[in-house]
Amino acid sequence: SAVISQKPSRDICQRGTSLTIQCQVDSQVTMMFWYRQQPGQSLTLIATANQGSEATYESGFVIDKFPISRPNLTFSTLTVSNMSPEDSSIYLCSVFMAELDDGLGSYEQYFGPGTRLTVT
Amino acid sequence: AQRVTQPEKLLSVFKGAPVELKCNYSYSGSPELFWYVQYSRQRLQLLLRHISRESIKGFTADLNKGETSFHLKKPFAQEEDSAMYYCALIEPGGFKTIFGAGTRLFVKA
Repeated sequence: SAVISQKPSRDICQRGTSLTIQCQVDSQVTMMFWYRQQPGQSLTLIATANQGSEATYESGFVIDKFPISRPNLTFSTLTVSNMSPEDSSIYLCSVFMAELDDGLGSYEQYFGPGTRLTVT
Repeated sequence: AQRVTQPEKLLSVFKGAPVELKCNYSYSGSPELFWYVQYSRQRLQLLLRHISRESIKGFTADLNKGETSFHLKKPFAQEEDSAMYYCALIEPGGFKTIFGAGTRLFVKA
């Protein structure tokens, strides 16, 4: 299993500013994933953060708006830049861990508690 | 395009009644299907996956490839089942999860 923590848990920010969200995992993982959950909507993958290489962004998300750092195998940050009210969301960090005892070679996805961002 | 559809935003049932949360998917291939649950003030967590064919907390889900559905069922709902439920799929061998919009289940006493 994996235990994921995020900081901050919530914040209220003014438009035009930036916020950096931290994600810490208690195990070493190759990939860390950042999701966004806008009010009343489902989770949408923003990007995949790989240690030692550039993050891979999904369609509709760009590095200038959501720069990501991945300095080691247990930590990542996501910055929401030049914020607008449309960026008000819950941002979640996620990892996959191999389920070694299920005999299926499968992985389980774990999520952080989320960072609730409100942009005024 | 890959898509997961949960047609019901809210499902309200009485305790002891059967419950079925619907999920349909669009994918040209054989994806892995999952149900995730988020209880109040808790983080999102895996409930069950189709490949393990197990029952978790009394819930089961059968993958119907012909109907491209993966409905979640429980014969007798309990109040503690009240939560947000998300259906999701992942491409085989991949790690990109596509989530449905979620269904909020409310079990009334």
